[in-house]
Amino acid sequence: AQKITQTQPGMFVQEKEAVTLDCTYDTSDPSYGLFWYKQPSSGEMIFLIYQGSYDQQNATEGRYSLNFQKARKSANLVISASQLGDSAMYFCAMREGGYSSASKIIFGSGTRLSIRP
Amino acid sequence: DAGITQSPRHKVTETGTPVTLRCHQTENHRYMYWYRQDPGHGLRLIHYSYGVKDTDKGEVSDGYSVSRSKTEDFLLTLESATSSQTSVYFCAIKNSTGKLNSPLHFGNGTRLTVT
Repeated sequence: AQKITQTQPGMFVQEKEAVTLDCTYDTSDPSYGLFWYKQPSSGEMIFLIYQGSYDQQNATEGRYSLNFQKARKSANLVISASQLGDSAMYFCAMREGGYSSASKIIFGSGTRLSIRP
Repeated sequence: DAGITQSPRHKVTETGTPVTLRCHQTENHRYMYWYRQDPGHGLRLIHYSYGVKDTDKGEVSDGYSVSRSKTEDFLLTLESATSSQTSVYFCAIKNSTGKLNSPLHFGNGTRLTVT
């Protein structure tokens, strides 16, 4: 069965340090995708980065990178040089199936990241 | 922002009453989703739709039904609201142009309180 696990309910990090948010997943489908979203205190959901199961390289988007370890079924988000504005809830999500699938997407329970000045 | 409107934004209702939440999109996207967000549980998928009149259950579908009679509208109905359904409900849409990396775009949420 499709499952996403985020084991860190909350984290505190000093400004300008790098931070890694953990995400593990479980699926029997060889074709899947992993997403990370940010939810600031204002409540909107902001898409950050995507990794496909067949992608050869780890995804990067600016200060965000995804440490994708397929054999370990982990897709950790790395934020380099953290900023005060990075304080938010972060959610990992997974889409099972390829182009012909119905595109069911489930989320983890989230990690609340707090950046200290 | 993707054209997604959720209504109402806030609602207080009594236990046992029916409630319908509406999600309206102007993007002509094929996929639409309803999630609920609760502290400690993240976002949990209630129902989703992959086309007009094509819907499927998510992780927490008990007590909820959905309908999609038009591409642009996805309705979530609580047949008989219970206090456990007090939550923030998010609608999301997803493009279907064949890109696997197409992300979800979310509405602003509906805060529902069942007393």
